[in-house]
Amino acid sequence: AQSVAQPEDQVNVAEGNPLTVKCTYSVSGNPYLFWYVQYPNRGLQFLLKYITGDNLVKGSYGFEAEFNKSQTSFHLKKPSALVSDSALYFCAVRDRSGDSSYKLIFGSGTRLLVRP
Amino acid sequence: DSGVTQTPKHLITATGQRVTLRCSPRSGDLSVYWYQQSLDQGLQFLIQYYNGEERAKGNILERFSAQQFPDLHSELNLSSLELGDSALYFCASSAGLGGNTEAFFGQGTRLTVV
Repeated sequence: AQSVAQPEDQVNVAEGNPLTVKCTYSVSGNPYLFWYVQYPNRGLQFLLKYITGDNLVKGSYGFEAEFNKSQTSFHLKKPSALVSDSALYFCAVRDRSGDSSYKLIFGSGTRLLVRP
Repeated sequence: DSGVTQTPKHLITATGQRVTLRCSPRSGDLSVYWYQQSLDQGLQFLIQYYNGEERAKGNILERFSAQQFPDLHSELNLSSLELGDSALYFCASSAGLGGNTEAFFGQGTRLTVV
């Protein structure tokens, strides 16, 4: 069964410092990977996705993510954090094979807190 | 604005009742997904429809059902409601069946069962 793990419930970082939000995945085939952000009382907003090709994917609001097949990871990064980046971040995966390609399975979420 | 519209935004109802949540996908999107977000369970995939047909099913309770209509809007019906059904229910849509297409989420319906 496909699954996603976000090992950190919360990540704290000072404004201006780089940030990393971790995600590891488990699928039977090759994955499609996604990052979403959720602000308070809002729906999830799509940030970026990895489908194939370059392991470094660039997305919205200056975020990027690095796909690492050997470590089955897809960590979200940003070179310089902003206070406004404080939100709940979700990693998600779809298996490429069979019926699993329809389901978008989410991790448990990581709360990012950026201190001024 | 994602283009996905969910109504109502808030719903308060009593245990044992039945409610219907409505979702209008983005223009042109054929897939609709339903998710439940609760504090202790995170984001749980419930069900997906594509062009009117059920395509994938997650941990959806038998008390819950959904459908997608010819105009592509979808409804999630929750019956015999229990306190534990209180949660934020999201609808999402995507252009394709799944695979490499991202899903766009509505702002959710917050259901409170009292």
